[in-house]
Formats: sequence, C-alpha cells, structure tokens
Amino acid sequence: AQSVSQHNHHVILSEAASLELGCNYSYGGTVNLFWYVQYPGQHLQLLLKYFSGDPLVKGIKGFEAEFIKSKFSFNLRKPSVQWSDTAEYFCAVTFFNAGNNRKLIWGLGTSLAVNP
Amino acid sequence: GAVVSQHPSRVICKSGTSVKIECRSLDFQATTMFWYRQFPKQSLMLMATSNEGSKATYEQGVEKDKFLINHASLTLSTLTVTSAHPEDSSFYICSASRTFENQPQHFGDGTRLSIL
Repeated sequence: AQSVSQHNHHVILSEAASLELGCNYSYGGTVNLFWYVQYPGQHLQLLLKYFSGDPLVKGIKGFEAEFIKSKFSFNLRKPSVQWSDTAEYFCAVTFFNAGNNRKLIWGLGTSLAVNP
Repeated sequence: GAVVSQHPSRVICKSGTSVKIECRSLDFQATTMFWYRQFPKQSLMLMATSNEGSKATYEQGVEKDKFLINHASLTLSTLTVTSAHPEDSSFYICSASRTFENQPQHFGDGTRLSIL
C-alpha cells in the first residue's frame, strides 16, 4: 500500500540551529511532493512543492527540500531556524496510479518547537 | 493568495442531527474541492473529491449516504453529515484547487464537529 512516513514526530531546537525533517514514501512510480506548514491557530499553508525538474526545491521562509528518487525521500531543510518556525509540518505525496488515477496521502506530521 | 473560507468553525449538536459544513473559495474558481477528516493525533484522511457539477468521488470506506457532498458552483462545496452520531465527531477540513493535477490545494480553517 502507498504510504507516507514522517520519522520525527516531535522536534525541539534552539534558534539558529539547522533543521531537517524526514519524509519517505513507499512507491516507485510518478509522484508529486508537498510540504505544508500549520502555525498555531492557523490553517495549513503550502511551504513548497516538487513536480519535476530540479530536485532541490526552494520554498518560502528559507525552507528547501530535496527529492531523492532512489531513496524515496523528500526531506525538508532550513539552515537556521527561528522561533517563528514553531509549527506543525506535514509532508504529502500525490501518487499517480494506473489510468492516471491520483491519490494524495499525508504524513502524520512533525511538531517543531523552537526555543528562543 | 488564494483564500478558502470554511463555515462553521465549530458545531456542537445532539445525536441524530444533520449538520451542513460550507467550503467557499473566495478569490478563485475551484474546479475541484476536497473534504478531509482528521482524528486526534492522526493524519488527514481524504474523504471525497468533488468536481463542480458532477458527483463526488468517495474514498474507500466513506459512506456516501452518510456524508453528502454537493459542489454546485465553482466557489462553493458543502458537506452534510446526516443523522450524526458521536462517532462522527471529528475535525473536518476542506480544500480547493483550480485544477487537480498540478495546482496545490488551498485549505479552509476546518470545522470541529462534536456530537453529544
């Protein structure tokens, strides 16, 4: 079955520390990849996406993610986090099946707390 | 950016009541809208995908007679939970997209449904 795994459920960092959140998926076919963020009390927002092309994707607020097809991974990174990055981060993957059927599956999310 | 409005944000009602949740795209035309359900500490689960003017496509295990979805216009989709029971209590989130294939989805703030 197709699945999306976020290995870090809770991450606590100090300001200026580097961040890497893992996202792996279980499918060898065509995929579209997304990272979403949900700040406290707000709705989900798109951070960045990958459809094709350069596997290193730049997003908003200094975030980037790298698609490594051989590892089925799409890890999210930021070189220096800020207190305002405290939020819940979700990885989502659209799987393209036979007949061009699409299914979007979400990871469970990673809660990031950045201490000032 | 694209704005999706979801109403109401919170509903508390008695068992057996039917509850309607609205999802509106405020500044764009949404050809496709998605309804999700989220239980505590679990990932977003796609319930159904609706395209304007046609019947919704329900995910496996989702009762179409229980969760009625109408997408009558390019800016409005409604989810009606019919004869709601306590086990239907959950967080329901809608999202809207201009096109399914390559356009990231824009999310509403969600509706917290509590059935007594």
